This record gives sequence, structure tokens and C-alpha cells, in this order.
Amino acid sequence: ETGVTQTPRHLVMGMTNKKSLKCEQHLGHNAMYWYKQSAKKPLELMFVYNFKEQTENNSVPSRFSPECPNSSHLFLHLHTLQPEDSALYLCASSQDRSSGNTIYFGEGSWLTVV
Amino acid sequence: AQTVTQSQPEMSVQEAETVTLSCTYDTSENNYYLFWYKQPPSRQMILVIRQEAYKQQNATENRFSVNFQKAAKSFSLKISDSQLGDTAMYFCAFMKHGQGNKLVFGAGTILRVKS
Repeated sequence: ETGVTQTPRHLVMGMTNKKSLKCEQHLGHNAMYWYKQSAKKPLELMFVYNFKEQTENNSVPSRFSPECPNSSHLFLHLHTLQPEDSALYLCASSQDRSSGNTIYFGEGSWLTVV
Repeated sequence: AQTVTQSQPEMSVQEAETVTLSCTYDTSENNYYLFWYKQPPSRQMILVIRQEAYKQQNATENRFSVNFQKAAKSFSLKISDSQLGDTAMYFCAFMKHGQGNKLVFGAGTILRVKS
């Protein structure tokens, strides 16, 4: 059982669709992250939120739009994606952004763009 | 920028045997953290073990232990008494101190435990 829950687990969307990925953490953490895991590439950090404020945007295209309404929830809004955006999107959380805090991951959302 | 290299794309081990996964990293920093994460078929990334660079003693967690060689920038993971449930992708990751908790991952090693 994971303290970080992601929905949906699988999503297929067309390039003109608008969809959202949801992440919820039950660990009382204050920092949340989105990572992208593509085939044959190391995990890439996309966004970081600390106490609901975005502190990192790792040069992510604007067709990915994150939202953090509170410390427990994180969304990734998707709009006009490309087939190369197909990947596993992992949400994670940690106590805060202090160095050395262990980062806990969810099970990921598989995204396929057709 | 820091880089993490896992030179073994795939490894196999017999059940109950011991296996070692390699990881090297490149950094000019002196203070940092190292992690091994496991990603089973469920795809959840699970923390296996962590090591603070300032600690000379190698971290251990039950059947999992590391060999941390700071001068050589090496951080290998040893799994003893391998179990079928250890079959997974294993990722080595680096975190620089004072960089806001950002992980840099290696490419991963697929470990298959055979009965």
C-alpha cells in the first residue's frame, strides 16, 4: 500500500484532448513532485512544489500545466500533447525540500498519446 | 552537473544467491546523498536504501547493503539471499546537498531472480 496515490493508472488520449492526472499523498508531506519516465531514458524531474508554491520547472513545455491546490494534492493538466509525451508519469512527495529528505513515489500514471 | 551511471542493463541471479549491482557517479560536491530505488512490475518506485556521503559506514537494510567508496565515486548495492520478489528494475540516484531535494537517476538495472 502506498502513501502516494495516483489516478488514473492508465490514460489514452488524442492529441487534441484535455485531460488531467491526479496525485494525492497521505504522508503529511509538504513537497510534491512530478517525474517523467520514458523508455530508454532516466527519470526526469518535471515540477516541484513546496508548501503549494512551485519552486522548480525543469524546462517543461507549456502543454503540461501543474496545479497544487494544497500540500496533499497535485495535478498535471495535459493539453495538445504529442505522441512523444507518451510515458509513465510518477508523482512523489517528501517532508519538504530540505536536502536529504527521502522522496516517496506513487505507482505512476501510464499515458499514451495517439 | 551530476551524472549517475549504471553499467549493467540486465542481471540475473539464482534464488538464495547474492548479487551486486554497480553504480558510479560524477560530482565535484563533497556533501550529498545516494539512494537505491526498486521498481517492480507495479511501477511504484520503492526506496531500498540510502547513504549520506559524510558517513563512512556502509548502510544496510536487512538483506540489502551498499559498498560506498567515496573516493572512487562508487555506490554498489548487494542483495543477499535473493528472493523472487526482488525481481525489479533498480535505480541508483544522487542528491546534492543544498539543491532542494532533487534526485538524479541512473538508467537502471533490470534484475531477474530465477527459481
